[in-house]
Amino acid sequence: QVQLVESGGDLVQPERSLNLSCAASGFTFRTYSMHWVRQAPGKGLEWVALISYDGSYTYYLDSVKGRFTISRDNSKKLLYLQMTSLRHEDTGVYFCAREHYGSGSYFDYWGQGTLVAVSS
Amino acid sequence: SYDLTQPPSVSVSPGQTASITCSGDKLGNKNVFWYQQKRGQSPVVVIYQDTKRPSGIPERFSGSNSGDAATLTIGGAQAMDEGDYYCQAWDSSYVVFGGGTTLTVL
Repeated sequence: QVQLVESGGDLVQPERSLNLSCAASGFTFRTYSMHWVRQAPGKGLEWVALISYDGSYTYYLDSVKGRFTISRDNSKKLLYLQMTSLRHEDTGVYFCAREHYGSGSYFDYWGQGTLVAVSS
Repeated sequence: SYDLTQPPSVSVSPGQTASITCSGDKLGNKNVFWYQQKRGQSPVVVIYQDTKRPSGIPERFSGSNSGDAATLTIGGAQAMDEGDYYCQAWDSSYVVFGGGTTLTVL
């Protein structure tokens, strides 16, 4: 069965860095585009970043552009999110999600999320 | 940037029909997706490509999309349907979520 397991969330001070990982299993990881989506405490979903199946292109939410980097290692079935210059408003649960490609792509599987708390 | 607007909350009595709207400029020209998120859980897609139900989603969930608004309809709402619902669309290569609607069944 498809599984996505995030890790790496932590309490971190503003302006510091943090790296998140998402371990995939149960499907052919290298053939799917992957995303990070976050959710601030008590708030709605916010898309963060996208990486194509082969890593050839990436897209980012404007507010994280230049600070966050999404990447992947298809040989290890791992998705990453490198976060630098963290801000209070980056606090939230970060989900990795698989993109179901079709006539209009959507997220068909989500991880359980990992909590990032940015605070001094 | 493209915005999707949802009402913050919708209430419905058990067995009645609940409708949650999602509005955006010329939204009918895009594919809309709906996710259900129960407290403490990850989101689950309940409608994709405006009107389609994934396997395992009850028939009481349906969707429509035309003009500047999409609607998620839950016919015969049950207590288990309580939670937050989010619409989602694509703006070029970027993903956009609506702000979410809390559905209360009481």
